Amino acid sequence: QVQLVQSGAEVKKPGASMKVSCKASGYPFTSYHMHWVRQAPGQGLEWMGIINPGGGRPTYARKFQGRITLTRDTSTSTMYMELSSLRSDDTAVYYCARDTNFNYPDYWGQGTRVTVSS
Amino acid sequence: DIQMTQSPSSLSASVGDRVTITCRASQNIRIYLNWYQQKPGKAPELLIFAASNLHRGVPSRFSGSGSGTEFTLTISSLQPEDFAVYYCQQSYNTPPFTFGPGTKVVVK
Repeated sequence: QVQLVQSGAEVKKPGASMKVSCKASGYPFTSYHMHWVRQAPGQGLEWMGIINPGGGRPTYARKFQGRITLTRDTSTSTMYMELSSLRSDDTAVYYCARDTNFNYPDYWGQGTRVTVSS
Repeated sequence: DIQMTQSPSSLSASVGDRVTITCRASQNIRIYLNWYQQKPGKAPELLIFAASNLHRGVPSRFSGSGSGTEFTLTISSLQPEDFAVYYCQQSYNTPPFTFGPGTKVVVK
């Protein structure tokens, strides 16, 4: 069965960087793109970007351009989302979510809570 | 970028009620509209894709309709497990694949 297992919660200082991992299993890793979505406390879902694990340049939401980097390691079937220059409003739960090949996700990771606080 | 809006932002309903949520896109997205349900502390779950197609395992009391810029999610007879937040998401053409702001369904 498809599983996306994300790394654990993190606490970061303002100005630092964060890197969340998402280990995929149960399907051909390079056959499905991966979305990254975040949710601030009490807020809605915010689409951040998408990566093709088979190669090619990721696409990022305009809001995160210059601060976000999506990468993948095909040897371990793991996706990574790195966000730099963290601010308090980056405090959120970050999700990876597997694309269906039709630009919407079907399977989601359990979420990684990141708190940015001095 | 395509902007998504939802109405209402919150609604109160009772078990057995028929519930309708509306989602609007800022431009024509044809049928590339999906619906998700999210319960507290959980990841979202896909309910409906391509405007009107039920994802596997989703109860038939959920249905979706619409095309172009206006879409609806209907729950024909609300069940206790349906109290949650519902999001629409557009998947038209190229990124960003934006979500609507959500509609919270609470107990009346």
